[in-house]
Amino acid sequence: AQSVTQPDIHITVSEGASLELRCNYSYGATPYLFWYVQSPGQGLQLLLKYFSGDTLVQGIKGFEAEFKRSQSSFNLRKPSVHWSDAAEYFCAVTTDSWGKFQFGAGTQVVVTP
Amino acid sequence: DVKVTQSSRYLVKRTGEKVFLECVQDMDHENMFWYRQDPGLGLRLIYFSYDVKMKEKGDIPEGYSVSREKKERFSLILESASTNQTSMYLCASSLVPSGELFFGEGSRLTVL
Repeated sequence: AQSVTQPDIHITVSEGASLELRCNYSYGATPYLFWYVQSPGQGLQLLLKYFSGDTLVQGIKGFEAEFKRSQSSFNLRKPSVHWSDAAEYFCAVTTDSWGKFQFGAGTQVVVTP
Repeated sequence: DVKVTQSSRYLVKRTGEKVFLECVQDMDHENMFWYRQDPGLGLRLIYFSYDVKMKEKGDIPEGYSVSREKKERFSLILESASTNQTSMYLCASSLVPSGELFFGEGSRLTVL
């Protein structure tokens, strides 16, 4: 069955430290991959996406993600977090032309001073 | 700036009531979606629509219906609300089916 896994439910990171959020998927075909961020009380906003080509993609707010086909992973990274990065992050995957996305359960990021 | 507007941010309803959740987008997008968000489960697709008067079931359509009479408006209907439908409901739209989703701010529904 197709699935998207975000192994970390909750991550606490110090301001200025690096951040990596994990996303693993189980799909037969190469999927389209997305990362979204949800700030408290808000809807989701796209951080970045991967369709094809260069496996390292750059997004907004200083985030990047790397697609690793051999590991079925699409991990999100930021070299130095800011207090405003405290939010919930969702990995999303689709393989079909209908746009039926499968979302991971989300990772809550807490940033400490 | 693109905008997806959900008319009600917070609703409290009683079991058995009929509930309407309205969503309007101003981007002339063909595709619109209703998701349900629950802690630990992420977002799950309820229904989606690729054209006016067209609808397709998502992963959890039971207990819900939808209406799309105009391109910009996509409504989610709970015919008889139940307590297990207490949740956050998110509407989204996209220009192309597998493209970026633009989300509303969500409607938090509590069914007592």
